[in-house]
Amino acid sequence: DVKVTQSSRYLVKRTGEKVFLECVQDMDHENMFWYRQDPGLGLRLIYFSYDVKMKEKGDIPEGYSVSREKKERFSLILESASTNQTSMYLCASITTGSPSYTEAFFGQGTRLTVV
Amino acid sequence: AQSVTQPDIHITVSEGASLELRCNYSYGATPYLFWYVQSPGQGLQLLLKYFSGDTLVQGIKGFEAEFKRSQSSFNLRKPSVHWSDAAEYFCAVGLNTGNQFYFGTGTSLTVIP
Repeated sequence: DVKVTQSSRYLVKRTGEKVFLECVQDMDHENMFWYRQDPGLGLRLIYFSYDVKMKEKGDIPEGYSVSREKKERFSLILESASTNQTSMYLCASITTGSPSYTEAFFGQGTRLTVV
Repeated sequence: AQSVTQPDIHITVSEGASLELRCNYSYGATPYLFWYVQSPGQGLQLLLKYFSGDTLVQGIKGFEAEFKRSQSSFNLRKPSVHWSDAAEYFCAVGLNTGNQFYFGTGTSLTVIP
């Protein structure tokens, strides 16, 4: 089974802290995504990466950055955490190739609270 | 721009009743279509997906979905709901390059005894 692992299930950070959310996948997927999930807003794409050291902004990149130094690891960085970044963060790893093979696999999510 | 609409924010059904969750998409070509389920505090799990061919697709847990090109819809159905189906359901559209997925805002399902 494909496994996408997020380093923390729950995090509490203070305003202004630099926060790192880590995501690791074990299936050699090229594409990895970071989403933010808020009630009534669904999943909103923050950043995605289609290769090592490559990144693309999603719909809500402000206040975030990402790092992909190795294919299996995709990190989301909150440079200076703010209370409006309190949310559930979901990492996804997506296959490419034949249509029947395309699928997004999700981690368990990290619930971040910024106080 | 691509978009996914789930018009029902919340649905309540009785256990044993049938279920239909609606999903409409906006995309210039036939996209890859997905339904995911999220149990409380969990990540998303794939229920089923459509790429081409038979427009009625079967998924896990007794769910099925029908792709209707003329209506740009991909509604999820289950003939008899179980209490364990209570969860959040997300419809998603994926581009064939695999590098973009768009999600709807989700439908929260409550199942009453």
